[in-house]
Amino acid sequence: DTAVSQTPKYLVTQMGNDKSIKCEQNLGHDTMYWYKQDSKKFLKIMFSYNNKELIINETVPNRFSPKSPDKAHLNLHINSLELGDSAVYFCASSQDTRGSEAFFGQGTRLTVV
Amino acid sequence: AQSVTQPDIHITVSEGASLELRCNYSYGATPYLFWYVQSPGQGLQLLLKYFSGDTLVQGIKGFEAEFKRSQSSFNLRKPSVHWSDAAEYFCAVAPLLGGNEKLTFGTGTRLTIIP
Repeated sequence: DTAVSQTPKYLVTQMGNDKSIKCEQNLGHDTMYWYKQDSKKFLKIMFSYNNKELIINETVPNRFSPKSPDKAHLNLHINSLELGDSAVYFCASSQDTRGSEAFFGQGTRLTVV
Repeated sequence: AQSVTQPDIHITVSEGASLELRCNYSYGATPYLFWYVQSPGQGLQLLLKYFSGDTLVQGIKGFEAEFKRSQSSFNLRKPSVHWSDAAEYFCAVAPLLGGNEKLTFGTGTRLTIIP
């Protein structure tokens, strides 16, 4: 079984649309994350969610909103998509927030046209 | 603010040759240090990590890394590379206090293996 799974793997959509990416982890971890990897492979954390506490990266536009129905799921909803949102989005999880290993999903390649 | 520098954007080595990927960090104290590998179309996989203790850390797939406090470096090494090692390698740091939400990645080094 895949430890961290995210769907869809590829997403092509038009500007202005609203889309969601789903993420599930079956590792029993307390903490989940969303990362954005741009075209130059630069990885930047967007959100972390630990025991119902959401930590927001201040540089993330408020069009992006994480939603966690339970500890095993952290979905990413994006409103009013823009061309600059095109990137690969990675979900990850870790046992806690104190330097434990982060396990990554395979990524969702989002293309906004 | 913490930062991570991987000075080599792209490295090419012959199969069977030794490898060293450089990583330098900037932080007020010794942070958690990680090396991750990303194969094409895949997510990131942890190779190894350093928290404290022995400064030479062994990881998976035959990789090792050495923490050098005086140089603020955490270079990744492998004595003999295999074609399957071709991938993107990321060094990352996280503070001992403050948590993984402050995990900072370097810009990555792309490794190409030639026969």
